[in-house]
Amino acid sequence: QLYLQESGPGLVRPSETLSLTCSVSGGSIANNNYNWGWIRQPPGEGLEWIGHMYYSGSTYYNPSLKSRVTMSVDTSKNQFSLKLSSVTAADTAVYFCARGNWRNGALEYWGQGTMVTVSS
Amino acid sequence: QSALTQPASVSGSPGQSITISCTGTSSDVGAYNYVCWYQQHPGRAPKLTISDVSERPSGVSNRFSGSKSGNTASLTISGLQAEDEADYYCSSYTKSNTWVFGGGTKLTVL
Repeated sequence: QLYLQESGPGLVRPSETLSLTCSVSGGSIANNNYNWGWIRQPPGEGLEWIGHMYYSGSTYYNPSLKSRVTMSVDTSKNQFSLKLSSVTAADTAVYFCARGNWRNGALEYWGQGTMVTVSS
Repeated sequence: QSALTQPASVSGSPGQSITISCTGTSSDVGAYNYVCWYQQHPGRAPKLTISDVSERPSGVSNRFSGSKSGNTASLTISGLQAEDEADYYCSSYTKSNTWVFGGGTKLTVL
C-alpha cells in the first residue's frame, strides 16, 4: 500500500514562499509510470490542480500559477516538493499531494492534506 | 484554463439513481477520454471513483458508472446509499498538457 504524507509550515507570511514536502512510503518515487503532483482546496471551495512532475524532471504546471510554482523531486529521500512564491491570502488552502498514473492521469493515491494559512 | 462546470448540488432518496454532469470544452472533456471522478467526504482526501470516463478502480462499487457525450461527462450513482453523501469532482486532461477540475457537486441523500 502506498502512503503519502505532506509536511511543512502551517502559517506563511504574505509575499513569502510556501514550501511543502510530500514523503512517499510503500513504493519508489523513481518510476516514470507515475507522476507526482499537488492539488489544493481553499476552505469551503473546490479542488484546484497545481501541477505534477515525473522523477526524470519533467514538470507540468497550472497556467494560472506557473509563474510562482516550482516542483522538485528527491529520489534519495523518496520525497517531492512544492514551492509557491509571493503568496497572498488567496493561497490559503488545504494542500494535497498525490500520485497520478502517467497513462490517464488518474490520481490514485492521495496524502491526507495539510492546511496552509497565509497571514501576517 | 477554466474549471469544468458541475451543478452545485444534487439530491436523491435512498435506492434512487442520480446523475452529475460535468461540462467542458473541445479542448478538454471533448478532446480526450481522460475524465476522472473523485468522491470527497468532509475533512477527507478525495478518492478516485472513475477513470478513463467509465472505468471503476478496484474496490469501487459497481453502483458508480461514468459516461461521456461530446463535451459533457456524467457520473451516475444507482441504488443511492447514505454513505454516498459527499462532494464529487470531475477532472479532465487538456490540450495544454494540464489537468482541470470541475467546481464540485454536493450530493445529499435525503
